[in-house]
Amino acid sequence: QSALTQPRSVSGSPGQSVTISCTGTSSDVGGSDYVSWYQQHPGKAPKLVIFDVTKRPSGVPDHFSGSKSGNTASLTISGLQAEDEADYYCCSYAGGFSVVFGGGTKLTVL
Amino acid sequence: QITLKESGPTLVKPTQTLTLTCTFSGFSASDSGVAVGWIRQPPGKALEWLALIQWDDDKRYSPSLKNRLTITKDTSKSQVVLALTNVDPVDTATYFCAHRLYYYDSRGYIRMSLSAFDVWGQGTGVTVSS
Repeated sequence: QSALTQPRSVSGSPGQSVTISCTGTSSDVGGSDYVSWYQQHPGKAPKLVIFDVTKRPSGVPDHFSGSKSGNTASLTISGLQAEDEADYYCCSYAGGFSVVFGGGTKLTVL
Repeated sequence: QITLKESGPTLVKPTQTLTLTCTFSGFSASDSGVAVGWIRQPPGKALEWLALIQWDDDKRYSPSLKNRLTITKDTSKSQVVLALTNVDPVDTATYFCAHRLYYYDSRGYIRMSLSAFDVWGQGTGVTVSS
């Protein structure tokens, strides 16, 4: 059970869109409808922003969206805002009620 | 409203056993679909899933730490306890407990979102050092 692969960092200007990828295997991302994404600001607990690949919890702005193709899931943040600057982690079900996280991506809003 | 809070020692010596307690409110650990997980984050590093306990006392562990972890729950106290044996400095981290998301679909059936933790505790920092 290896960590999912994410880019170390991405960046974008306010108003632009960015996409963060999350690559796993057929044993996790590729074989699961249970991929979630978390936003983490420094010193804070993670916050769920996407679950079940595409669903948004109540209260999460609709400029966050999720998708999946094969073994890669993606989080797209459109209309970037300064407060979106944070670390983002993907997480996938990996069978047997276990989960695996990605290595995390630092989003910088220029 | 669901809340969770972690507690435990801030400093542990190598080879000792680390015991952490997650005290929660707003749900019962015996309600169908409920699960509480533990996740840790070493300083400056990524999140790592450790363990999960479900409403029916089913327990799951990270394969890499399975031999060192034990998770239990005390429904009457609204607590979930995680024990990590034979700690090492690499176990230095912030440890979080979290509630796993479940919801009811349009037909009234419970749906567990198997990788989604919707409410997290604030985390508790643990340093392993002699």
